[in-house]
Amino acid sequence: EITLTQSPGTLSLSPGERATLSCRASQTVDSDYLAWYRQNPGQAPRLLIHGASNRATDIPDRFSGSESGTDFTLTINNLEPEDFGVYFCQHYSSARGTFGPGTRVEIK
Amino acid sequence: EVQLVESGGGLVQAGDSLRLSCAASGFTFVSYAMTWVRQAPGKGLEWVAGTTGSGETTTYGDSVKGRFTVSRDNSKNILYLEIENLRVEDTATYYCAKGLQYFHYYGMDVWGKGTTVIVSP
Repeated sequence: EITLTQSPGTLSLSPGERATLSCRASQTVDSDYLAWYRQNPGQAPRLLIHGASNRATDIPDRFSGSESGTDFTLTINNLEPEDFGVYFCQHYSSARGTFGPGTRVEIK
Repeated sequence: EVQLVESGGGLVQAGDSLRLSCAASGFTFVSYAMTWVRQAPGKGLEWVAGTTGSGETTTYGDSVKGRFTVSRDNSKNILYLEIENLRVEDTATYYCAKGLQYFHYYGMDVWGKGTTVIVSP
């Protein structure tokens, strides 16, 4: 069973700064099935990245995803007000999906 | 416009059964996987169940296997989640989400607003 670990738990940043979020898988996974979502308070999650590095439709190029072995990274440049929320990574394998616990990006 | 609208949630008692629905519009429903994801109050996201476009393959999270059944009516563009023997820990907002492709491996690009289930002891 795959476990996803996200770090840090909380990231305190100012608008305009860069956010670097980590998602580590407990074993080798297929990066085609790795996605990132953002959830703002009171809203449904929104897909940001799929296939580890492909931006979803209408997602600005401030967002980028990368991978290195079992480590996946979401980078957000030039944070804007709507970027402050909770970010989840998610993977599908072994006939089930798994979400990471989330990273909260808060305004410093 | 692609849209998903969940319904069927409410206040129920432990041991009850419930059927959630998700009405889809604005896309060719049969061509896309669909997934249920839930979120307990103040908690993270939990993948609950998924189905391929035609519904021939369904998969479940470990915590719900045996009590939850996902199905779809492609003639009506509706996704269902049947829940048996509800437990207090099933209290959550339940979201339905559209897959990027026919198989539910690749992520979910459209989400409904969710329907809330509250299970009392």
